[in-house]
Amino acid sequence: DIQMTQSPSSLSASVGDRVTITCRASQGVGNYVAWFQLSPGKAPKSLIYAASILQGGVPSKFSGSGSGTDFTLTISSLQPEDFATYYCQQYNSYPLTFGGGTKVEIK
Amino acid sequence: QLQLQESGPRLVKPSETLSLTCTVSGGAISSSNYYWAWIRQPPGKGLEWIGSIYYSGSTYDNPSLKSRVTISVDTSKNQFSLKLNSVTAADTAVYFCAGQYYDLWRGYPPYFDYWGQGTLVTVSS
Repeated sequence: DIQMTQSPSSLSASVGDRVTITCRASQGVGNYVAWFQLSPGKAPKSLIYAASILQGGVPSKFSGSGSGTDFTLTISSLQPEDFATYYCQQYNSYPLTFGGGTKVEIK
Repeated sequence: QLQLQESGPRLVKPSETLSLTCTVSGGAISSSNYYWAWIRQPPGKGLEWIGSIYYSGSTYDNPSLKSRVTISVDTSKNQFSLKLNSVTAADTAVYFCAGQYYDLWRGYPPYFDYWGQGTLVTVSS
């Protein structure tokens, strides 16, 4: 199985801050990485696929980059609705695997 | 815009079978552009992919679940279902259903785009 190691596991930030979350795959996955936002009581939201392509309706403050084994999700100018937990996921091969999550909290 | 909604018993006894259904609206479950998947999140833990099915009936499941999983599609009801047998307390989790978009022409691997809200299933006697 491909392991997805996400860091940090949590971070504290203020409204308006720029934050970056990283994800490392245990072996190359091309650009087949997606990012998701999970908030309590809400359906998970798909943010990015193919490492850098925004899903429809996702604001441009979210951006993704990377290929091979190293990937990043950046949120520019955090807003109150962005405080949530973020997960990366590889879909290059089965079994599909997720990172451990990054909880973004209000400082 | 697809909408997915999970349904099924919220409490299951140990050793019994967990059964959930996902109802899809806003699109046909028989679409060749979608795989349909189940994912779970145990309390306080991360996400785990359970398995996926294509409208043709092809299925993929997580070997970590040791062949306890059955996923099926009912095109007449626009639903797909999950059965997980021989459950234990470790199977207590929020269970999500999701759609994986598949670009049939380009052949890229399918990726998650739409998710249900999730349903908490507790395994307890």
